[in-house]
Amino acid sequence: SQKIEQNSEALNIQEGKTATLTCNYTNYSPAYLQWYRQDPGRGPVFLLLIRENEKEKRKERLKVTFDTTLKQSLFHITASQPADSATYLCALTFGDYKLSFGAGTTVTVRA
Amino acid sequence: DTAVSQTPKYLVTQMGNDKSIKCEQNLGHDTMYWYKQDSKKFLKIMFSYNNKELIINETVPNRFSPKSPDKAHLNLHINSLELGDSAVYFCASSQGSGAGYEQYFGPGTRLTVT
Repeated sequence: SQKIEQNSEALNIQEGKTATLTCNYTNYSPAYLQWYRQDPGRGPVFLLLIRENEKEKRKERLKVTFDTTLKQSLFHITASQPADSATYLCALTFGDYKLSFGAGTTVTVRA
Repeated sequence: DTAVSQTPKYLVTQMGNDKSIKCEQNLGHDTMYWYKQDSKKFLKIMFSYNNKELIINETVPNRFSPKSPDKAHLNLHINSLELGDSAVYFCASSQGSGAGYEQYFGPGTRLTVT
């Protein structure tokens, strides 16, 4: 069956360091992969979308890579700040209209 | 301006009751969605409408019925509520229905069934 796996439930890092989150998927190779941020008690907020023919995409301190051979996306937060503390969700479609979400990784940035 | 709004934000009700959740988007998007996020924080698609037409209907009990009176609104009606329906329900919208469109989520409605 098709699955999305995010590397760990929680990631604790020191302010100023780089957080790296992993999203692995099985079987189907999506044409697009998206990352969202969710704060407690709020809806997910779109961050970045990367296409299968793009190796890397950046937005301010965020960087996403997409390796269709490894079936993996890496999400990096550079120079992390306490305000980056949130749950980060990986999402993709398995060839249909439905966006399937991973379980998320909760990042806590310590001051 | 709120892009995607939902009402109510909290809903506490007893088993067996019928309730509705309303959603509106002012982004001019063609596609709207309902998601359920359970206690384990797993976000799962329930329904999607594109230009008022149902395009995704996941395996949910038929006690759940979506209705889209126009492109900007998507409501969710739930009959005969059960304890297992307790969750946070999110409405979302996107410009199109393909995989390459980012989705905009509402603030969520926390439903508690007692």
